[in-house]
Amino acid sequence: DVKVTQSSRYLVKRTGEKVFLECVQDMDHENMFWYRQDPGLGLRLIYFSYDVKMKEKGDIPEGYSVSREKKERFSLILESASTNQTSMYLCASRGRQPSYNSPLHFGNGTRLTVT
Amino acid sequence: DQQVKQNSPSLSVQEGRISILNCDYTNSMFDYFLWYKKYPAEGPTFLISISSIKDKNEDGRFTVFLNKSAKHLSLHIVPSQPGDSAVYFCAASAQGGSEKLVFGKGTKLTVNP
Repeated sequence: DVKVTQSSRYLVKRTGEKVFLECVQDMDHENMFWYRQDPGLGLRLIYFSYDVKMKEKGDIPEGYSVSREKKERFSLILESASTNQTSMYLCASRGRQPSYNSPLHFGNGTRLTVT
Repeated sequence: DQQVKQNSPSLSVQEGRISILNCDYTNSMFDYFLWYKKYPAEGPTFLISISSIKDKNEDGRFTVFLNKSAKHLSLHIVPSQPGDSAVYFCAASAQGGSEKLVFGKGTKLTVNP
């Protein structure tokens, strides 16, 4: 079974802090993703990476950056946390070819509260 | 512009009855569709998928139907069970495009005992 592990389940940070959310997957997947989930808005893609050191902006990249130094690890960085970044953050991974047996595998999420 | 739409934010059904969750899409390049289930405080889990070369895919109590001409898909759960109560997300992707999935906003299903 694919395992996607997010380092923290709950985080509370203060406005202006730099925040790191870490994600590790154990299936040698090329593609990794960061989503945020908010009530009534569904899952929105922040950034994704299709290879080491490669990244692409998703639909809502503002206020975020990412780092992919190793294939198994994808980090989401909030440069200066703001209250509107309070959300559930979900990391996911997927193999390279979008075959019909290649769904996204999600971690359990990090609930971030910015006060 | 929302490419994947789930127009019903919530749905309530009785245990044992059929649950039908609907999803519409606008991008004609989408050719792979998935349904995810999400419990509170957990990540979404993959439920079932369908490719555009099919119009139906079945897995146990779960069946997904695809109507390409209408750009519509639906998830049928028969019979519904209280443990099916969760938020269901529809997602779509296009081969040859980027690797990302586009998600709908989700439908919260409640199955009453």
